[in-house]
Amino acid sequence: SQTIHQWPATLVQPVGSPLSLECTVEGTSNPNLYWYRQAAGRGLQLLFYSVGIGQISSEVPQNLSASRPQDRQFILSSKKLLLSDSGFYLCAWGNTGTGVYFGAGTRLSVL
Amino acid sequence: AQSVTQLDSQVPVFEEAPVELRCNYSSSVSVYLFWYVQYPNQGLQLLLKYLSGSTLVKGINGFEAEFNKSQTSFHLRKPSVHISDTAEYFCAATRQGGSEKLVFGKGTKLTVNP
Repeated sequence: SQTIHQWPATLVQPVGSPLSLECTVEGTSNPNLYWYRQAAGRGLQLLFYSVGIGQISSEVPQNLSASRPQDRQFILSSKKLLLSDSGFYLCAWGNTGTGVYFGAGTRLSVL
Repeated sequence: AQSVTQLDSQVPVFEEAPVELRCNYSSSVSVYLFWYVQYPNQGLQLLLKYLSGSTLVKGINGFEAEFNKSQTSFHLRKPSVHISDTAEYFCAATRQGGSEKLVFGKGTKLTVNP
């Protein structure tokens, strides 16, 4: 069966510090991978998605970037965090017609 | 582009009562539809999905949803709720045959009271 791992679960970072969140998927090959953000009291916003290694599409302009160095690894990064980057970050995977499955999320607090 | 509207931001019900959480979508192309549940401080868990076939879809935890193409709706129902069903529920849609970028509704907070 497929599993998705996302870490860390919580993170507190100062403004201006870098960020790296990692996500890995097991039990499937060539999945579509996604990063979503859920801000307090708001819905889910798609940040990035990837259909293959090195292929990243950004949905909204922002202070973040994503990379996919391996088929089942997806990384969310920032060089300098802003207060507005605080939120709940969710990694997800899917294949056409199977649905989209989410990791446990990372709660990021930028202080 | 697709859009998803969840008509109720909060739904309070008593335990063992039936519940319906409403979801409408807008799309110029055929879509896949999903319901997710999110418990506090957790990720999203897939409850059920409509991809094709029967318009009545049964999911986990006793939930079901009915796809109504003419009304562009995908309402979620449960005949008898439990305290443990208290959570936030998200409806989502994605274009059929695409990269499955989900478009989410803003969520409905279901509170089950004793």
